[in-house]
Amino acid sequence: DIRMTQSPASLSASLGETVNIECLASEDIYSDLAWYQQKPGKSPQLLIYNANSLQNGVPSRFSGSGSGTQYSLKINSLQSEDVATYFCQQYNNYPNTFGAGTKLELK
Amino acid sequence: EVKLQQSGDELVRPGASVKMSCKASGYTFTDYAMHWVKQSPGQGLEWIGTIIPLIDTTSYNQKFKGKATLTADKSSNTAYMELSRLTSEDSAVYYCARGLGAYVMDAWGQGASVTVSS
Repeated sequence: DIRMTQSPASLSASLGETVNIECLASEDIYSDLAWYQQKPGKSPQLLIYNANSLQNGVPSRFSGSGSGTQYSLKINSLQSEDVATYFCQQYNNYPNTFGAGTKLELK
Repeated sequence: EVKLQQSGDELVRPGASVKMSCKASGYTFTDYAMHWVKQSPGQGLEWIGTIIPLIDTTSYNQKFKGKATLTADKSSNTAYMELSRLTSEDSAVYYCARGLGAYVMDAWGQGASVTVSS
């Protein structure tokens, strides 16, 4: 199975700050990568797919980039409602697999 | 509005089975695949399997073959997952999620907690 390694495991940032979350795949996943946001006590929600395509309704302060084995999620101008755990998922290889998550808190 | 309404939380005995449901609304049920995902504190998110309701085709993560059985009822727009021979390792929250394209999941149910305990 492809291993998805997220970093950092947790981070603390201030309102208005820019945040970057990284996801490293154990092999090339050819941009078949999605990002999900899970707020406390809620279900995950799709943010980004195909590495950089913004899901309908997701604020434009979220963006995704990367290729090969290295991908990142960027949150511009952090808002209080962005406090959540973020997961990456590869769907290039069977079985699709998720990263362990990055917990984002407010400083 | 796309909505996936899952059945309630379950407390089950070790060795028993449990069947949970996921009722879809707000879209054409047969136009999309339905995925099932396990979330446990120790293992994070794990894809269990996928059913394509239109053609009743299933695909399973090898890890969950023999553990999970996915079905769908097109007449009621409902997907089901049965988990068998439950152990403490099966205690988790289980989600259904609509498939966008391949294995991207663009709408999720609220989750159903399964606790396996005697």
